[in-house]
Amino acid sequence: GQQVMQIPQYQHVQEGEDFTTYCNSSTTLSNIQWYKQRPGGHPVFLIQLVKSGEVKKQKRLTFQFGEAKKNSSLHITATQTTDVGTYFCAGRFRAGKSTFGDGTTLTVKP
Amino acid sequence: DTAVSQTPKYLVTQMGNDKSIKCEQNLGHDTMYWYKQDSKKFLKIMFSYNNKELIINETVPNRFSPKSPDKAHLNLHINSLELGDSAVYFCASRYSGTRFTDTQYFGPGTRLTVL
Repeated sequence: GQQVMQIPQYQHVQEGEDFTTYCNSSTTLSNIQWYKQRPGGHPVFLIQLVKSGEVKKQKRLTFQFGEAKKNSSLHITATQTTDVGTYFCAGRFRAGKSTFGDGTTLTVKP
Repeated sequence: DTAVSQTPKYLVTQMGNDKSIKCEQNLGHDTMYWYKQDSKKFLKIMFSYNNKELIINETVPNRFSPKSPDKAHLNLHINSLELGDSAVYFCASRYSGTRFTDTQYFGPGTRLTVL
């Protein structure tokens, strides 16, 4: 079936270090969304990428959509303790529904 | 105002019981979902309704039966609860009017514990 693979599953960083999570699909995506789930909370929408090669920034967060629209990344510069949580990508396949990746859980050591 | 609400927030019950979870959204969306999140944080879609019509029904035991009385509500009834049903269940909604907007809005979740 159509799947979105997300890596890594876990990432532990020291506060101030950078963090990146990656999503990959074997087939072209129509768009991809990113969500953040704080511990004990629910997924909250961060951003949607639609265009090939698109790059969007939100403060210390940089989101990229690959040229072939098969992969995407979320990069956090200089992590803070408020960045802890699980980050999910969700890719929409052209003929079907959006599919969530397995998530990357980020822990930040002060 | 709460956009997507779920009740109850916590549900502790015995194996074999039947229970229901309710979801309501006041965003005017036409599509609603049920997700199951296990202890590993994986988000697995279970069902999706569009305008009260079931459009996604993943491989879920038939003990789980969704019901959408109207576009703003999606309930989930679970029969004969099993230990493996313990998880957090999230309801979500979105507007399907344009394929360029796939944003889903999630409810706060219902933590189900089966003893």
